[in-house]
Amino acid sequence: DAKTTQPTSMDCAEGRAANLPCNHSTISGNEYVYWYRQIHSQGPQYIIHGLKNNETNEMASLIITEDRKSSTLILPHATLRDTAVYYCIVRVVGGAGSYQLTFGKGTKLSVIP
Amino acid sequence: GAGVSQSPSNKVTEKGKDVELRCDPISGHTALYWYRQSLGQGLEFLIYFQGNSAPDKSGLPSDRFSAERTGGSVSTLTIQRTQQEDSAVYLCASSLQGAANVLTFGAGSRLTVL
Repeated sequence: DAKTTQPTSMDCAEGRAANLPCNHSTISGNEYVYWYRQIHSQGPQYIIHGLKNNETNEMASLIITEDRKSSTLILPHATLRDTAVYYCIVRVVGGAGSYQLTFGKGTKLSVIP
Repeated sequence: GAGVSQSPSNKVTEKGKDVELRCDPISGHTALYWYRQSLGQGLEFLIYFQGNSAPDKSGLPSDRFSAERTGGSVSTLTIQRTQQEDSAVYLCASSLQGAANVLTFGAGSRLTVL
C-alpha cells in the first residue's frame, strides 16, 4: 500500500467548509483513494473514494491532484455531527490481499460551534 | 438487516476465560471482515471471509484467536484463554463482492479482560 500522511488534528467552525488533506506521494497507477470516518464509539463509516477524477456525493467531495500525489476531502458545510477521526486510505481494487484496508491514525476533526 | 449487527456490545471477562463475539453481516454481502481497535490505536486487520473461499487468517495475532462463518452469513470470533492485551473493540464489516472495498462496519464489541 502507498503510505498516507495526514495532519493529526484540525478544527473547523460550524457551517464552514472542512478541508482535510492527505499526502500519498508513492501512490501507484491502480491504487484508489478512500476516505472513511469514525465518530466516537462507533464503527468506521465509508465516505467516498476515487481514482483520478474528482468525486462528489451527498456527504463530501474528493479532490485529487493531477499527479495523484495528494488529495483533499471537503465537507462543504461542517456540522457538530461531523466531529470524528477521518482516515485516508490508498488501496488497489481486487487482487490478493486487496481487502486488507490499512487504517492509520487519521485526522481528528473538531467542529467548533 | 439494514446494517451490520454485532453482539455483545460490551463484554467484561476474567483473564483465562474464553469469549465469543458474533457478527451478522448485511444480507447479500459475501465478504466479511474482522478488525480490532485497541484504545487510541488504528484498526488492525484480523481475518477475511469471501464466499466459499478459504478465509485469510493472516491477521490473527495468535492461535488463541479463531473465527468461523457459517452458511456464508453469520460469523463468530472466538478468543480462548483471554489475556489483558486482548482488551479492545472488535469490529466486523461486510461488503458486496467486488464493491471496490466499500466496507460497512458494525458498532463493534468492546471486550475488557480483567
